[in-house]
Amino acid sequence: EIVVTQSPATLSLSPGERATLSCRASQSVGSYLAWYQQKPGQAPRLLIYDASNRATGIPARFSGSGSGTDFTLTISSLEPEDFAVYYCQQRSNWLTFGGGTKVEIK
Amino acid sequence: QVQLQESGPGLVKPSQTLSLTCTVSGGSISSGGYYWSWIRQHPGKGLEWIGYIYYSGSTYYNPSLKSRFTISVDTSKNQFSLKLNSVTAADTAVYYCASTGDEYYFDYWGQGTLITVSS
Repeated sequence: EIVVTQSPATLSLSPGERATLSCRASQSVGSYLAWYQQKPGQAPRLLIYDASNRATGIPARFSGSGSGTDFTLTISSLEPEDFAVYYCQQRSNWLTFGGGTKVEIK
Repeated sequence: QVQLQESGPGLVKPSQTLSLTCTVSGGSISSGGYYWSWIRQHPGKGLEWIGYIYYSGSTYYNPSLKSRFTISVDTSKNQFSLKLNSVTAADTAVYYCASTGDEYYFDYWGQGTLITVSS
């Protein structure tokens, strides 16, 4: 099983700041990685797929990068609605999620 | 726009069998091209993929989970289902149904249903 580890567990930032979230896989997943956003009481929403492609309707302030084992989700300037939990998911070998990063208001 | 809606009992007693159904609207399961998944989220925790089914009935389960799960499909009702036998308190979670295309990323989700295992 490919283990996916996210860091940090919590990121405390202010609106307008840049957020950088990390996702690391225990073995190479190529570019087969997605990012999701989850707000309290809601289902996750697909943001990024194949490491760097924005899903339909996702604002340009969200961007993804990386390949192999190390990936990054960047939110260029945090909007109030961006404070949420973010998960990454690999699909190279079955389907596994990371443990999540909570982006909270500082 | 595909929409998914879970339905289930809410509360299940230990050792019983949990049955959940996901009703799909806005698209037909039998048209193919999508894989229909179950995912769960323990309280305050991350996401765990349980397995998925194709319209043909082919199933794929998370190999890390014990084989207590069964996923089935009813194309006539445009539904797919999850059964989990011998439930324990550790199965208390929000259960989501979701769909993926050939890319195996979850693009459509149900709202989730909280299942509590308690006597």
